[in-house]
Amino acid sequence: GNSVTQMEGPVTLSEEAFLTINCTYTATGYPSLFWYVQYPGEGLQLLLKATKADDKGSNKGFEATYRKETTSFHLEKGSVQVSDSAVYFCALSERSGSRLTFGEGTQLTVNP
Amino acid sequence: SQTIHQWPATLVQPVGSPLSLECTVEGTSNPNLYWYRQAAGRGLQLLFYSIGIDQISSEVPQNLSASRPQDRQFILSSKKLLLSDSGFYLCAWSVRAQPYGYTFGSGTRLTVV
Repeated sequence: GNSVTQMEGPVTLSEEAFLTINCTYTATGYPSLFWYVQYPGEGLQLLLKATKADDKGSNKGFEATYRKETTSFHLEKGSVQVSDSAVYFCALSERSGSRLTFGEGTQLTVNP
Repeated sequence: SQTIHQWPATLVQPVGSPLSLECTVEGTSNPNLYWYRQAAGRGLQLLFYSIGIDQISSEVPQNLSASRPQDRQFILSSKKLLLSDSGFYLCAWSVRAQPYGYTFGSGTRLTVV
């Protein structure tokens, strides 16, 4: 079956530090990959996505590249802000359907 | 444009009382609908998903149930709440058979006391 493994948190960084949150996946086909962000007390919001190998998703300074050879979709940001403090979820869906498989989430705290 | 509404935002209920959480989607037809629970500091647990009216699958055995009386309405219920039912409940929808991901509601914080 499908699975998503995320870097365990919590992750604590200082403002303007470089961020990487690792995500690897297992899937039978060629899934679409997603990063969702959950700010405190809110629902999840789609942050970025990639639908095929070598695609790069980007939004709000965050980037992730679909790496088929390493089955990875690591989330990166060059300079984090306090407002980026949230829980980040990596997820995949098979092309044949729309159900998502989520990772466990990674709590990010950015200190001023 | 499509929107998803979930209410109430917060709820405090005594043990043994009933529960009804409602989720509605606007601006789309025939969505897939989902109920998730998120315990404090933990990941997402899929509770129910529905591909159509009265077509609901349960992922985890529990004292919760779900119903879909209309195409764009999804209700999560319980006859008698347990302390362990406390958590953050999220409704979501997706386009059928398309890899576009989910759109989530804003969630309901349920505290069972």
